[in-house]
Amino acid sequence: DSGVTQTPKHLITATGQRVTLRCSPRSGDLSVYWYQQSLDQGLQFLIQYYNGEERAKGNILERFSAQQFPDLHSELNLSSLELGDSALYFCASSPRSWTSSNYNEQFFGPGTRLTVL
Amino acid sequence: AQRVTQPEKLLSVFKGAPVELKCNYSYSGSPELFWYVQYSRQRLQLLLRHISRESIKGFTADLNKGETSFHLKKPFAQEEDSAMYYCALMNYGGSQGNLIFGKGTKLSVKP
Repeated sequence: DSGVTQTPKHLITATGQRVTLRCSPRSGDLSVYWYQQSLDQGLQFLIQYYNGEERAKGNILERFSAQQFPDLHSELNLSSLELGDSALYFCASSPRSWTSSNYNEQFFGPGTRLTVL
Repeated sequence: AQRVTQPEKLLSVFKGAPVELKCNYSYSGSPELFWYVQYSRQRLQLLLRHISRESIKGFTADLNKGETSFHLKKPFAQEEDSAMYYCALMNYGGSQGNLIFGKGTKLSVKP
């Protein structure tokens, strides 16, 4: 499968713990985006990386951080977990960063379902 | 502030009936809008985008700047259209093209 992959599919942990979610973008895609989907907030943009560098931040908590590695995979680190962090976390990738006239389709992974007990 | 509103959480129609999923947006610049669909147990995928003016699986969507709307329409719904539909706005302001999503509408097409 040359699409976006995410691991693990499911993660169950306890409050106060720290977890790492992993995303591998489509082959050739340089941009990676992280989104959080919760029942009350819907799908919300967290953060974007392009070729290893942070490019944009959305509604990402300070307890959360991310990075993109030289092989372009990305990790989202969630620490001091709270019950409210339970959600589906999506990663998406796109071929390039934004330019003023370019359309920039994002391809989504299957998501990681995080449950904090 | 940039925002996407999908007023209906659930839309239920019978097979063969017309469908319209509503989407309104708020954006200070020139909007770039999309419809994404998520079928049961599948990943979110792009259905169509306004700049290409295409029809995908019988769905169309027209950008109406006067009404700040981008409603998704299909003249005759099929059972396989049952899914979650998300309207999304590309946010270029100060960042690099992240998507702002509406909360989604669940379309249920009954036989």
